[in-house]
Amino acid sequence: NAGVMQNPRHLVRRRGQEARLRCSPVKGHSHVYWYRQLPEEGLKFMVYLQKENIIDESGMPKERFSAEFPKEGPSILRIQQVVRGDSAAYFCASSLAGVTTDTQYFGPGTRLTVL
Amino acid sequence: AQSVTQLDSHVSVSEGTPVLLRCNYSSSYSPSLFWYVQHPNKGLQLLLKYTSAATLVKGINGFEAEFKKSETSFHLTKPSAHMSDAAEYFCVVSDLSDYKLSFGAGTTVTVRA
Repeated sequence: NAGVMQNPRHLVRRRGQEARLRCSPVKGHSHVYWYRQLPEEGLKFMVYLQKENIIDESGMPKERFSAEFPKEGPSILRIQQVVRGDSAAYFCASSLAGVTTDTQYFGPGTRLTVL
Repeated sequence: AQSVTQLDSHVSVSEGTPVLLRCNYSSSYSPSLFWYVQHPNKGLQLLLKYTSAATLVKGINGFEAEFKKSETSFHLTKPSAHMSDAAEYFCVVSDLSDYKLSFGAGTTVTVRA
């Protein structure tokens, strides 16, 4: 029973390049959440998606960041023209339902380093 | 809006002694409260959660937490620390009206032999 899968686990990019982070939720889960963890901080909500829909992107930076969760395949968090401040761990979580009492299961994270 | 304050950024205990990690929350509505643990370079694992049922919640690996509404607290305890408990612990809250999880800054636990 596979949990949330994220890849790559580590990603190194130079300033100005694009970063693509992938997340496969727990089988049967249709709700996906992305969080970002800056050094020495807790996780901060970025975006909440259901299949083919962005439900809440209030935590996403207005520029350069986008997310999708297509009908088939993993959820993708895309960061264009990365800057050093984007260096962080990005965690994906999934849940069976989108209610607050439902447990969010987290993946191992992708650690992005921008040189 | 909800928020969490973890009162200790770092806790050091001897193996076999009790562990106490303190957490205070603020929430506009009835909160759901969680404790997650993160081992180095690993994902977050749910230890336990409170969702308006019993106020004393038992979790995995011998951990438990007590919800105290009057004190707006949700402290995590374990009677006897093990070396494998060394990790980062996050107290997390979500409002009944909101699916977004709000994380505390984390408490790093070290266990001395």
